[in-house]
Amino acid sequence: EAGVAQSPRYKIIEKRQSVAFWCNPISGHATLYWYQQILGQGPKLLIQFQNNGVVDDSQLPKDRFSAERLKGVDSTLKIQPAKLEDSAVYLCASSSHMNTEAFFGQGTRLTVV
Amino acid sequence: DQQVKQNSPSLSVQEGRISILNCDYTNSMFDYFLWYKKYPAEGPTFLISISSIKDKNEDGRFTVFLNKSAKHLSLHIVPSQPGDSAVYFCAALPQGGKLIFGQGTELSVKP
Repeated sequence: EAGVAQSPRYKIIEKRQSVAFWCNPISGHATLYWYQQILGQGPKLLIQFQNNGVVDDSQLPKDRFSAERLKGVDSTLKIQPAKLEDSAVYLCASSSHMNTEAFFGQGTRLTVV
Repeated sequence: DQQVKQNSPSLSVQEGRISILNCDYTNSMFDYFLWYKKYPAEGPTFLISISSIKDKNEDGRFTVFLNKSAKHLSLHIVPSQPGDSAVYFCAALPQGGKLIFGQGTELSVKP
């Protein structure tokens, strides 16, 4: 079974630029999550989808971050414009349904300079 | 407010000995907990979980203990191996599926 796929693995951008990350969850997993992990901290949930609907986006900075999962499969997370404090690893995860363990992709390391 | 806390940022253990990683939580409504392991440049991988109806769950060298009255759980690794060196995250999974992670503990197992 293929795992959660994310791209790119690394990205360096200047502040005020925009960036997008892509995630393809495990086949058949209805629940998809985007987490932000800042160095030295645990992952923090940004947004949770159930199929193509948003379940929780309470910690997503909506003035600059957006995410979509239009067909209920893969998802994109966008930051526009980026700030220095957005430097982090962005992790995508999926689970078969909401109350089971999530499986994570390798993450995208974003550096904003 | 940090609902799940791992107060030890790092732990160093000799190979073959026991590693004990600790985790505290504040919300008594949390009823399902997980441990994830993370190597550098990789995403977290699920290790072991425990439901609040149990006080212990064992999987090979890994055992998780839950003390609900103290709102405390711990992960025991016996015997520890150099390949266990990684960052370990404790997480609570409340109803609704939003994992809440601790800050992580970096385990170093020395040969």
